[in-house]
Amino acid sequence: GAVVSQHPSWVICKSGTSVKIECRSLDFQATTMFWYRQFPKQSLMLMATSNEGSKATYEQGVEKDKFLINHASLTLSTLTVTSAHPEDSSFYICSVRRENTGELFFGEGSRLTVL
Amino acid sequence: SQELEQSPQSLIVQEGKNLTINCTSSKTLYGLYWYKQKYGEGLIFLMMLQKGGEEKSHEKITAKLDEKKQQSSLHITASQPSHAGIYLCGADSSGNTGKLIFGQGTTLQVKP
Repeated sequence: GAVVSQHPSWVICKSGTSVKIECRSLDFQATTMFWYRQFPKQSLMLMATSNEGSKATYEQGVEKDKFLINHASLTLSTLTVTSAHPEDSSFYICSVRRENTGELFFGEGSRLTVL
Repeated sequence: SQELEQSPQSLIVQEGKNLTINCTSSKTLYGLYWYKQKYGEGLIFLMMLQKGGEEKSHEKITAKLDEKKQQSSLHITASQPSHAGIYLCGADSSGNTGKLIFGQGTTLQVKP
């Protein structure tokens, strides 16, 4: 069964609105989760590392004020795309790391379309 | 910065044939992950390799990491239409952080 769950699977919103995407670890607790973005026909690019109990760390070029990350509990991280614009339309995927093995599991992804 | 090069970029094989996908790194790999993705969907974890010379198998898929830990291969034996998809290799970019960089992917089609 699924190890990581994302919600929603897809969302359409108007330009200027904010959208929240959830990532849940179903099988184990995770102090660290990761958020990636994938544009059509491209590979995944790491956006940020979500840390439970502390601030997220962002990769170079990713605006932290635009992509708000909250690691609310050991099984939940949320990504909020604030004031979304059409260029933010993408496939957002999270991953969770099983600490004792190092295995990294990904969610089903959330497709965001900004009109 | 580390880069991952996958080859081939795309592959079309007849059902029942074997195939190999390669992933080459410009730097030593601390952890190499193989995933399968169907377009517009999430990544399915296939295998993780960490030690030089390591080889793992699951059903008809075998992954290897060379001794120098700079190259990995994914081999599918007796391919089936269900193997079709995009295969991605990912490497831990900074040692053992869980932060992955990915190759550009290999699209596999299996003709019945």
